[in-house]
Amino acid sequence: EVQLVQSGPEVKKPGESLKISCKGSGYSFTNYCIAWVRQMPGKGLEWMGNIYPSDSYSDYSPSFQGQVTISADKSISTAYLQWTSLKASDTAMYYCARHESTGAFDIWGQGTMVTVSS
Amino acid sequence: DIVLTQSPDSLAVSLAERATINCKSSQSVLYSSNNKNYLAWYQQKPGQPPKLLFYWASARESGVPDRFSGSGSGTDFTLTISSLQAEDVAVYYCQQYYSTPQTFGQGTKLEIK
Repeated sequence: EVQLVQSGPEVKKPGESLKISCKGSGYSFTNYCIAWVRQMPGKGLEWMGNIYPSDSYSDYSPSFQGQVTISADKSISTAYLQWTSLKASDTAMYYCARHESTGAFDIWGQGTMVTVSS
Repeated sequence: DIVLTQSPDSLAVSLAERATINCKSSQSVLYSSNNKNYLAWYQQKPGQPPKLLFYWASARESGVPDRFSGSGSGTDFTLTISSLQAEDVAVYYCQQYYSTPQTFGQGTKLEIK
């Protein structure tokens, strides 16, 4: 079964760092890109950026450039989304999703809820 | 950035009736070299991740019931549910993957009347 399994929910304080993960299985991880999508509470979907695990090339939305880092370790079929200093406004559900280099998001992770509160 | 505007924002339709959701793009998402529209539709039910319904604007994803259809080209697209079922209650999003940053419409909430 093709699936993306994300790491569990996180509760952090402002200023803390965080790295969440997305592990792919059931397919060749390097043949597809992984995108990260934010969904703030009660809001819509926002594309944050993506990564090509084959060469670790990443692309970011201008809205998120410099705010997060997307990386991947193809040896363990896992992509990551990282913050160095969280803000309360980072509170959201974060989804990873698989897609071909130019394609729709056909497989989604279950989501990781990140809560940032003092 | 390409802006996708969905209409309506919310919609209430009776069971077995037709539901229609529109998505208008601020610029064409039709790639002339392959004649494909880089437009997808997703369904998101409460507490679940989005689910792909259509890609290339009208190509139905495997397992999606045929009461769902996607149409349109260039800048104007439509998602139609021919006979609404209770399990179709969800928020529906269009997405363009023609250029980065990829963008989503604001979503349309579909309910039963």
